[in-house]
Amino acid sequence: KAGVTQTPRYLIKTRGQQVTLSCSPISGHRSVSWYQQTPGQGLQFLFEYFSETQRNKGNFPGRFSGRQFSNSRSEMNVSTLELGDSALYLCASTMEGARYYEQYFGPGTRLTVT
Amino acid sequence: AQSVAQPEDQVNVAEGNPLTVKCTYSVSGNPYLFWYVQYPNRGLQFLLKYITGDNLVKGSYGFEAEFNKSQTSFHLKKPSALVSDSALYFCAVRGDTGRRALTFGSGTRLQVQP
Repeated sequence: KAGVTQTPRYLIKTRGQQVTLSCSPISGHRSVSWYQQTPGQGLQFLFEYFSETQRNKGNFPGRFSGRQFSNSRSEMNVSTLELGDSALYLCASTMEGARYYEQYFGPGTRLTVT
Repeated sequence: AQSVAQPEDQVNVAEGNPLTVKCTYSVSGNPYLFWYVQYPNRGLQFLLKYITGDNLVKGSYGFEAEFNKSQTSFHLKKPSALVSDSALYFCAVRGDTGRRALTFGSGTRLQVQP
C-alpha cells in the first residue's frame, strides 16, 4: 500500500505571497491532519479533516486554512506569508475505527519564506 | 489540556548498550500514547503505541515502551542500541475523548556511538 504523499517536497516563496500544499492519504484513510514543525516551536497541530469537514483546529491564525476533497485528499493554504511560516509541514492520515489510532505521516513539505 | 514532556534534549549511548528515552504526559481521561522517530529530511515514522492492555508494548526495530500509569510515564527502551538508531524521537499523546489531534513532546535526539 502506498504511503502518505505530499507535494511539493520543497517550496520557496516570498513574504506576502500565498501557498497551497497537497496531501494524499493512504488508501482507505479518511482522516487527514496537518502539523507544522519548526526548530523553535516543535510539532504543532494545525487542523484535522474527516469526510470533507474540519473536525479540529489548532491555535493558528486565520491565514492558515485547509480543505478536504471527496477522495480524502487534502490541501492546506497559507495566505500572506510571513518569515515565521518557514517550516516543515507534515500531513498525517488515520483509518477510523476502534483498532486504528496511529497516524501515518508523509515526508513533509519544506517551505522557505524569504 | 494535554501535554508531553521529554526532559532530555539528547541521549548518548554506546552501540550495544541499552537505551532509554524518557517521556511523561498529562491528559484528561485514558491516554493513547505513541512513539515516533524522525530521520533527517524525513517525516515521522510510527514506532509503537499504547492504547490499552499490557503495560509493556513492543514495536518496530526492537523498540519497546513501558506504560506506567501512576508515574504518567511512557519511556522508550531498547536492549541493545545500533548506530542506525541515531535519530530524533518524539513521544505523543491524545486522550480517549474530545480532540483527536496528537500533542507531541519537544523531541529527544538519540546519538549512538560506535
